[in-house]
Amino acid sequence: DAGVTQSPTHLIKTRGQQVTLRCSPKSGHDTVSWYQQALGQGPQFIFQYYEEEERQRGNFPDRFSGHQFPNYSSELNVNALLLGDSALYLCASSSGQGIYGYTFGSGTRLTVV
Amino acid sequence: AQKVTQAQTEISVVEKEDVTLDCVYETRDTTYYLFWYKQPPSGELVFLIRRNSFDEQNEISGRYSWNFQKSTSSFNFTITASQVVDSAVYFCALSEANQAGTALIFGKGTTLSVSS
Repeated sequence: DAGVTQSPTHLIKTRGQQVTLRCSPKSGHDTVSWYQQALGQGPQFIFQYYEEEERQRGNFPDRFSGHQFPNYSSELNVNALLLGDSALYLCASSSGQGIYGYTFGSGTRLTVV
Repeated sequence: AQKVTQAQTEISVVEKEDVTLDCVYETRDTTYYLFWYKQPPSGELVFLIRRNSFDEQNEISGRYSWNFQKSTSSFNFTITASQVVDSAVYFCALSEANQAGTALIFGKGTTLSVSS
């Protein structure tokens, strides 16, 4: 049973560019959440998607946007990259509201130079 | 406001020692969920336990045990007879269930190093 799959695993971008990260949820899960984890910090919630709509959003600027597709997979887009956007981006999937726990992917390591 | 505090940044122990990781949380809600996750060097967060706010029973799973005390807003995690494979970053997290969504609020994590 495949867990959460994220691509790519590593990415290097230049300041000002745009990036798209992808996530396939665990089989049977319909909700996808995205987190940003800076080095040495805990993950910070970016947003959550359910039924192809953004259900909840954390304290992140509009440069961060997302999308969920009918097959429940999701994309995270970041525009006008800043050096401070360098982090591990984690995708988590769950069934419904996720109160029974989330399954996390291994993340995408984004480096902005 | 929701907040999770893990005051211990790093802990180093020798194999077979017992170790307790502390977690203190803040929330105004009466219904909430607490979690512990383990993050090995690979980066993936591994789910360890979930506890809801109405269940204060302590739980034991093998060498792992959890102590939930609402009176002190704490949800501590103990590893008995630690092993080298327990070396990782451990995160405590809080989720309030009465929102439109269920974002996890994480602490900053405790890095556990177990040496042989």
